[in-house]
Amino acid sequence: KAGVTQTPRYLIKTRGQQVTLSCSPISGHRSVSWYQQTPGQGLQFLFEYFSETQRNKGNFPGRFSGRQFSNSRSEMNVSTLELGDSALYLCASSPHNGGISDTQYFGPGTRLTVL
Amino acid sequence: DQQVKQNSPSLSVQEGRISILNCDYTNSMFDYFLWYKKYPAEGPTFLISISSIKDKNEDGRFTVFLNKSAKHLSLHIVPSQPGDSAVYFCAAINAGNNRKLIWGLGTSLAVNP
Repeated sequence: KAGVTQTPRYLIKTRGQQVTLSCSPISGHRSVSWYQQTPGQGLQFLFEYFSETQRNKGNFPGRFSGRQFSNSRSEMNVSTLELGDSALYLCASSPHNGGISDTQYFGPGTRLTVL
Repeated sequence: DQQVKQNSPSLSVQEGRISILNCDYTNSMFDYFLWYKKYPAEGPTFLISISSIKDKNEDGRFTVFLNKSAKHLSLHIVPSQPGDSAVYFCAAINAGNNRKLIWGLGTSLAVNP
């Protein structure tokens, strides 16, 4: 089974621009979560999508948004980029079969640099 | 406010010895805990987990201990190998908050040959 894939792997943008990151979950996985990782803050939860609906949301401003398609692929969008948005953005999928053990499988991440 | 705390940002051990990584939490609503390992330029990979109804779970060289009264868990790696060098994240599931995963900041483990 192929793992979680994220595109692009690296991205350089300037302040004020917007960016869209893509995530393809493991086949059969219905839940997709997005995280931001920075050296000082660890993994910060952005949001989770399940069956095309946002089910959970972290404490990020409205500039961060996402969506999930019917094939479970997900995109996240960041508008009006700020320097502090430079981070590794990780996508994780889980089968979410109703059990409490939400083992998440992570993609390699997209490294976003905002200049 | 960091609900899951890994107070040691880094740890260095000799190959063959035991590595002990610690994690403390503050929210009594957490009832499932996971450890992930992360190599540079890769996403985290699941390592081992434990339910709050248990106090120990073992998988090969990896054992996780849970002390609910102290709100503390630890990951033991025995024997440590150089390939174990990575960042280890502790995470907890809040069963009372739609099973959101809350993460610690990670501990960087270096296993020296």
